[in-house]
Amino acid sequence: AQKITQTQPGMFVQEKEAVTLDCTYDTSDPSYGLFWYKQPSSGEMIFLIYQGSYDQQNATEGRYSLNFQKARKSANLVISASQLGDSAMYFCAMREGPDDKIIFGKGTRLHILP
Amino acid sequence: EAQVTQNPRYLITVTGKKLTVTCSQNMNHEYMSWYRQDPGLGLRQIYYSMNVEVTDKGDVPEGYKVSRKEKRNFPLILESPSPNQTSLYFCASSLGPGNYNEKLFFGSGTQLSVL
Repeated sequence: AQKITQTQPGMFVQEKEAVTLDCTYDTSDPSYGLFWYKQPSSGEMIFLIYQGSYDQQNATEGRYSLNFQKARKSANLVISASQLGDSAMYFCAMREGPDDKIIFGKGTRLHILP
Repeated sequence: EAQVTQNPRYLITVTGKKLTVTCSQNMNHEYMSWYRQDPGLGLRQIYYSMNVEVTDKGDVPEGYKVSRKEKRNFPLILESPSPNQTSLYFCASSLGPGNYNEKLFFGSGTQLSVL
């Protein structure tokens, strides 16, 4: 069973609009971390934002925020005021468990339209 | 500068010719991992290591070997590459084990083509 599910293979969004990228996860471990990474066309993996399972507040980093709904096991990435440079592949990932496995979703390709 | 150095950046080889992709980090991280990225499949973990001389299989270990003789290095070995191993490979490192709040630092990737 997939532990990280990203249901949107691709999205098109108008520049300056806000965009939400969906991520749901599955774990029975009470301690875990959720991460979002951006992969532009150049290929490198860029860390965006982190949310811990015990964090009471949603994480924010500049234009990025994480909508963490623990009961629903969702960790959606919200990008406010999108820019052309936000066009990229976005991956959600989870780190959990005593074996310290770090699992990634299949990604969402975001296209920002001028 | 803190970094994960992965080499080579691009590699074209033929079926059956052994190859090694090197990975080195300068952050004294215990945790190191290899991923492969394929269209529509995201990043899948090949092997990971929680410390020197400790390695574990990820989700797609078949056809790959790793070793962790030193803390900083974690090479990926393909003893007999096949075309289905054509992929983009990433090495990553992090503090660990047990530090579930620590992010992964990634290398720049290796695009491997097996003909």
